[in-house]
Amino acid sequence: QKEVEQNSGPLSVPEGAIASLNCTYSDRGSQSFFWYRQYSGKSPELIMFIYSNGDKEDGRFTAQLNKASQYVSLLIRDSQPSDSATYLCAVNSNSGYALNFGKGTSLLVTP
Amino acid sequence: DTGVSQDPRHKITKRGQNVTFRCDPISEHNRLYWYRQTLGQGPEFLTYFQNEAQLEKSRLLSDRFSAERPKGSFSTLEIQRTEQGDSAMYLCASSLVAGVPEAFFGQGTRLTVV
Repeated sequence: QKEVEQNSGPLSVPEGAIASLNCTYSDRGSQSFFWYRQYSGKSPELIMFIYSNGDKEDGRFTAQLNKASQYVSLLIRDSQPSDSATYLCAVNSNSGYALNFGKGTSLLVTP
Repeated sequence: DTGVSQDPRHKITKRGQNVTFRCDPISEHNRLYWYRQTLGQGPEFLTYFQNEAQLEKSRLLSDRFSAERPKGSFSTLEIQRTEQGDSAMYLCASSLVAGVPEAFFGQGTRLTVV
């Protein structure tokens, strides 16, 4: 069983809409959760992290964590074509050092 | 530029050759990670250093792979007797010891084994 699961997409949303990206994880001991954005051919770029249940907002981005249901999500408000990228969910491993990544969800924001 | 720096950015090598990649982390970061990413997949953890100590290695890191961080600063990843399956993007990341391990990635080294 894959430890971090994401729908590969592509998820297509119109410009200005809210994009909702979801991620589930299998290790109940995980404590830190990260969202990375990766443009084609580039390296992952950290968007935000969350470690407490509930919501965390940073600009147009909101991360949501529900440890009981073992899922974490990322909402992107007022989506822009420049948000088109692959979004990677990452969860810290048992050791606490390494990150386990999902395969990523491809997001396409259409003008 | 104060981000994570990797060299070279691209490497093409013949099967069976040895290759070495270098990573310079963000200067105040004590933790350094190596990941490998293939097309359509998320990064896969290879190994982790805290200062000069290699504290964790993935089972993906076969005996053909070796990593060092001799003085707790830059790190090298060597692949011996390369195989076509080693073709991938090799990513280095670094983070602080304290607090949530926010890892920042370098631009990666794209390896092509022909």
